[in-house]
Amino acid sequence: DSGVTQTPKHLITATGQRVTLRCSPRSGDLSVYWYQQSLDQGLQFLIQYYNGEERAKGNILERFSAQQFPDLHSELNLSSLELGDSALYFCASSPRTSGSPDTQYFGPGTRLTVL
Amino acid sequence: AQSVAQPEDQVNVAEGNPLTVKCTYSVSGNPYLFWYVQYPNRGLQFLLKYITGDNLVKGSYGFEAEFNKSQTSFHLKKPSALVSDSALYFCAVIPLGNTGFQKLVFGTGTRLLVSP
Repeated sequence: DSGVTQTPKHLITATGQRVTLRCSPRSGDLSVYWYQQSLDQGLQFLIQYYNGEERAKGNILERFSAQQFPDLHSELNLSSLELGDSALYFCASSPRTSGSPDTQYFGPGTRLTVL
Repeated sequence: AQSVAQPEDQVNVAEGNPLTVKCTYSVSGNPYLFWYVQYPNRGLQFLLKYITGDNLVKGSYGFEAEFNKSQTSFHLKKPSALVSDSALYFCAVIPLGNTGFQKLVFGTGTRLLVSP
């Protein structure tokens, strides 16, 4: 168990809908990262937050957004869902964001199925 | 572009035999390299990382990896494979210089199958 929690574990929804994925980082970790794992794209970085502020964006669609709250948990919002958004979404956390790279610890993921 | 390559989609090995899962990298400057393992229906688990120092890095569950700068490789190894090692293995890199921006760039993954 990495100490990173994600809810829900599974999510089934319809095209056009909006969903929210939640992540709680390990105790003491200030950085949160979101990744998407799909069969055709592999594992791709979406976005990083550090202590409530967005730090970097990767291949994140405009229909997707995220935020990190004062208690450091993070939410990933996916809207106007398409079939191709079906994937496993991982959250990871690490203690800090600068200097020597930290190890990122991953949660169990949320499997999103768009029908 | 900063990237890692895992040339083998699948590696098959018999239990008790040594295993190697290959990874090569392409980055500017010195890389930060990682290995993660993914078991079915589970998240990614950290195995080991190379930042600097000794080229042979020891990690969890008896795994180790050798950083080879001249060959730009970071192969994962284990002296004696277990059936329970069967999983999907990912090599990843954080390019040096991205202070404050530590996105992991993953390879495509290698499925390891250890037969009894």
